[in-house]
Amino acid sequence: GQQVMQIPQYQHVQEGEDFTTYCNSSTTLSNIQWYKQRPGGHPVFLIQLVKSGEVKKQKRLTFQFGEAKKNSSLHITATQTTDVGTYFCAGSGSARQLTFGSGTQLTVLP
Amino acid sequence: DAGVIQSPRHEVTEMGQEVTLRCKPISGHNSLFWYRQTMMRGLELLIYFNNNVPIDDSGMPEDRFSAKMPNASFSTLKIQPSEPRDSAVYFCASSPPGAFNQKLFFGSGTQLSVL
Repeated sequence: GQQVMQIPQYQHVQEGEDFTTYCNSSTTLSNIQWYKQRPGGHPVFLIQLVKSGEVKKQKRLTFQFGEAKKNSSLHITATQTTDVGTYFCAGSGSARQLTFGSGTQLTVLP
Repeated sequence: DAGVIQSPRHEVTEMGQEVTLRCKPISGHNSLFWYRQTMMRGLELLIYFNNNVPIDDSGMPEDRFSAKMPNASFSTLKIQPSEPRDSAVYFCASSPPGAFNQKLFFGSGTQLSVL
């Protein structure tokens, strides 16, 4: 079945440093979504990427979808303490359901 | 607008007891998903419904788990009998109609502890 791998599992950064998490799929994806889960909270949708090579920005967050539609990345510029949480990618292939990556837990040290 | 509503928020029960988790999706959404989250296994899809019909239940761990969606505004996930390894956070999520792979709106989850 479809597998979605995400690295790193944990990342500690000083406030103001950049952060990147990477997502890789064993199969070609029709689209990829990114979610953020604050500690003790529930996943919240951030963005969806559909096109090969697509790049989208949300303020300090930059999302990329690979040319082969098998990988994706999320980059945060100049992290803030409000960025703390776990970031999940979720991909779908031919089926409707999403397969979530294992997540990257981000800690931002003040 | 109200989001996805789950109840209870916390459930503590003893091994062997029946547990029922409830979910009210966002009005107008026609797909509903049950996920389980643990440290070891992350977010796992248990089952999803489309227009109240179960489409894929391959993620349901075993026969002790069952899910129903009697109407568009209500779903239950039942565990009978419960076991300590079922302890996890159970999330319900819904998504709107349209092109497939719409974004998911998650409820606040039910933290289940089976002693």
